[in-house]
Amino acid sequence: GAGVSQSPSNKVTEKGKDVELRCDPISGHTALYWYRQSLGQGLEFLIYFQGNSAPDKSGLPSDRFSAERTGGSVSTLTIQRTQQEDSAVYLCASSLGPGLAGVEQYFGPGTRLTVT
Amino acid sequence: QKEVEQNSGPLSVPEGAIASLNCTYSDRGSQSFFWYRQYSGKSPELIMFIYSNGDKEDGRFTAQLNKASQYVSLLIRDSQPSDSATYLCAGSGGSYIPTFGRGTSLIVHP
Repeated sequence: GAGVSQSPSNKVTEKGKDVELRCDPISGHTALYWYRQSLGQGLEFLIYFQGNSAPDKSGLPSDRFSAERTGGSVSTLTIQRTQQEDSAVYLCASSLGPGLAGVEQYFGPGTRLTVT
Repeated sequence: QKEVEQNSGPLSVPEGAIASLNCTYSDRGSQSFFWYRQYSGKSPELIMFIYSNGDKEDGRFTAQLNKASQYVSLLIRDSQPSDSATYLCAGSGGSYIPTFGRGTSLIVHP
């Protein structure tokens, strides 16, 4: 299992509930990214972690969204008080880290979130 | 604002033909460029990357970069129906956060 893994693969939740999405990056990759992709749309950047540096949260759409990365490895994206517009596929990607070659991203299979 | 532009398509080509996918970018600071293939319902898969002006070939795929014109392209030779997918172009500069285009849908018909 050398690839990026994400769980759960599907999540159905009621409006107003909190959800946690998990990403396990490729071993040795210091950079981790979260994206959101709505049906038929492009990739929307959410947050970027690089090693132990402070994350770049510039893409988070509201303060209901947060993410952490423990021990420089596994990351959790939390959405509080979910809304129907949060329904999308949430993709995690990892890469080696800074440098020309370090931005080659490898994506996980995604978590499909449906808010009812 | 950094932008990567792609024609959404669909681009339709017959099997065996060359498919040409194009991408322009606005950030002159971009140094690295990537092409991802995304099948319907699947996550993006990295297929090519290029850093230097000129051509880079890998099997049936050739990536072309022209930094003066801020233009990146992907050529797929001997296109197969299995190449039918959405192709995402991305560029990255010093921030290490790639900017993605919205993708071009490619249809290869038998």
